[in-house]
Amino acid sequence: GAVVSQHPSWVICKSGTSVKIECRSLDFQATTMFWYRQFPKQSLMLMATSNEGSKATYEQGVEKDKFLINHASLTLSTLTVTSAHPEDSSFYICSARITGGAGQPQHFGDGTRLSIL
Amino acid sequence: GQQLNQSPQSMFIQEGEDVSMNCTSSSIFNTWLWYKQDPGEGPVLLIALYKAGELTSNGRLTAQFGITRKDSFLNISASIPSDVGIYFCAGQGTRTSYDKVIFGPGTSLSVIP
Repeated sequence: GAVVSQHPSWVICKSGTSVKIECRSLDFQATTMFWYRQFPKQSLMLMATSNEGSKATYEQGVEKDKFLINHASLTLSTLTVTSAHPEDSSFYICSARITGGAGQPQHFGDGTRLSIL
Repeated sequence: GQQLNQSPQSMFIQEGEDVSMNCTSSSIFNTWLWYKQDPGEGPVLLIALYKAGELTSNGRLTAQFGITRKDSFLNISASIPSDVGIYFCAGQGTRTSYDKVIFGPGTSLSVIP
């Protein structure tokens, strides 16, 4: 149980393109989902907390107009990297917490590797 | 801000050896988590610790939540090649957010067959 699916698993696109990444909780409902960014050989850095039906909460230094988050249902959150540039290339990982499981561990997707040419 | 430190940064061990890694924090957390990440994949939860002093096992893995709530260790007994990967400790639940998770920098484990 507690499976989180991310799509796509990798994407290569030209500079200036906008890229949408989906995060789905397959067998549970998730009021809250989280988006992380990971550079090679580094740890996961929280970008934003996505709340179903409301605006996302962004961490300091993360541009909300650059990284658009939508959490329209209890099983789906999307991250759109707008007008992507090479410096946006990274491994993006989402996680989800079971609704009602306050303080319970987050379950992670398998990540999306984004490469901007 | 809150920071986690992990030691060692990397380890090279022989198959069959036991492994021990540590995590310390400048802040108190409500929950300590240990994750393993394989290349190109997301982290997988190994053990979750909810109470100070708690000692929990999951197969060959054992982890403890420090009494001060600012540290934790993870032990792996009788290592095997598939134990290779990056091990992250994470603290969850602070005074300002019960959900926010802070990750340590990771310990890279290599197992020599």
